[in-house]
Amino acid sequence: AQSVTQPDIHITVSEGASLELRCNYSYGATPYLFWYVQSPGQGLQLLLKYFSGDTLVQGIKGFEAEFKRSQSSFNLRKPSVHWSDAAEYFCAVGEGEYGNKLVFGAGTILRVKS
Amino acid sequence: NAGVTQTPKFQVLKTGQSMTLQCAQDMNHEYMSWYRQDPGMGLRLIHYSVGAGITDQGEVPNGYNVSRSTTEDFPLRLLSAAPSQTSVYFCASSYGTSGYYNEQFFGPGTRLTVL
Repeated sequence: AQSVTQPDIHITVSEGASLELRCNYSYGATPYLFWYVQSPGQGLQLLLKYFSGDTLVQGIKGFEAEFKRSQSSFNLRKPSVHWSDAAEYFCAVGEGEYGNKLVFGAGTILRVKS
Repeated sequence: NAGVTQTPKFQVLKTGQSMTLQCAQDMNHEYMSWYRQDPGMGLRLIHYSVGAGITDQGEVPNGYNVSRSTTEDFPLRLLSAAPSQTSVYFCASSYGTSGYYNEQFFGPGTRLTVL
C-alpha cells in the first residue's frame, strides 16, 4: 500500500518569510500527487497537483511544488508567506488506475507570526 | 453550482444508534467518495463510487454502508454507531475516472460525536 509522510506536524514562519513543507511518498510507479489546504472548520481546497510532465508545478495562492522522483518527494513552497496562509496542509497520493483514491499524509499545521 | 453539500453539519449520537450522512453534488461528477478525518491521521478513505450503482470499499470501511442510486447522491450509513466513529466526515467528488479530471472537490464536512 502507498503511504505519505509529512515529517513536520507544526511549522511556524514569520510573515514575509519563505516556506517549504515537506512530503515524502512511497509508490512504485509515477504517482498522482496533490497538495490540499484546510482552514479551520472548513473543507479541503486543492492547491496544486502533479501527474506527469514538468516536475515543477504552479498552484493557486502563489504556491508551487517540485516532484523529485529520486527522493520520492513532493515539497510545497511559497516565497513569501501571508498571514492568511495559516492553515493545515495535506499532501496526498492518488491510488487506483486514475488516481482518484487519495492516501493522505497526517498534515502540517502552519502558523504565521506577524 | 452549490458544489458538494453535506448534511448535517453536526450530529451527536448514542452508541448503537444508526444514522445517515447525506452527500450531494450538482456537477454531474462520476466519482464520489467518503473520508474520515481524525487528528494526526489525515483523511482516510471509507467507501467510494465510480458511478451510479457501483460502490467499493476504501481503507476503513467497517461499520459503514453506502449505496449510489443516482449520480448526484452518495449517502453514508452508520449501522450501529460506536465511539470509535467519532470523527469529521468529508464527502468528495470528481468529474471522472480520467487522470486529467481527477481533481476532487470536498464538501464542508460533518462533525459526528458518538457518546
